[in-house]
Amino acid sequence: QKEVEQNSGPLSVPEGAIASLNCTYSDRGSQSFFWYRQYSGKSPELIMFIYSNGDKEDGRFTAQLNKASQYVSLLIRDSQPSDSATYLCAVPHSGNTPLVFGKGTRLSVIA
Amino acid sequence: ETGVTQSPTHLIKTRGQQVTLRCSSQSGHNTVSWYQQALGQGPQFIFQYYREEENGRGNFPPRFSGLQFPNYSSELNVNALELDDSALYLCASRLGLAGSRGIGELFFGEGSRLTVL
Repeated sequence: QKEVEQNSGPLSVPEGAIASLNCTYSDRGSQSFFWYRQYSGKSPELIMFIYSNGDKEDGRFTAQLNKASQYVSLLIRDSQPSDSATYLCAVPHSGNTPLVFGKGTRLSVIA
Repeated sequence: ETGVTQSPTHLIKTRGQQVTLRCSSQSGHNTVSWYQQALGQGPQFIFQYYREEENGRGNFPPRFSGLQFPNYSSELNVNALELDDSALYLCASRLGLAGSRGIGELFFGEGSRLTVL
């Protein structure tokens, strides 16, 4: 059974700071990794995905993957109060079946 | 707006009852997955349907069952409800077994919040 571990938080950062969200996974064979954002009372939405070791940048978001350490992170630069949400890390369950999610990290950006 | 709609948005049932939750996917999205999200937890994979056949299942008992219809709608049925079934049930769809951004590209509906008393 694949496992995805996240610190549940809450993680509090001041507005304008960098928020760093971390995730570890159990299956060394996992090839792809996804970050979803979930606002309170809403459904998850995909914000980033990464397949290769290293960094991938998309606007204020950077995903970092280290397969040797089985570690994936999400950095949010210039954090805004609107970034306050729960961030879910996910990896594929197996083959074509969908995702195993972590419990999520709750981020609070303080104005 | 993901184009995935779920109904009902909220419902209350008592232990032992049965419930049917419904989902309407985007047109052309022939893969639908259902997830259970308990309070403070991440979504847990229940099962997936592709072209009206189940092709993946998580660690849920048989009293959780589903159907997918040719019109891109689907339903989740739960029999003999238990208190622990209280959760947000999420439907997610995509085109094919892997979306344009890979299998993680799921489009979620807003969910059905089930309370079992």
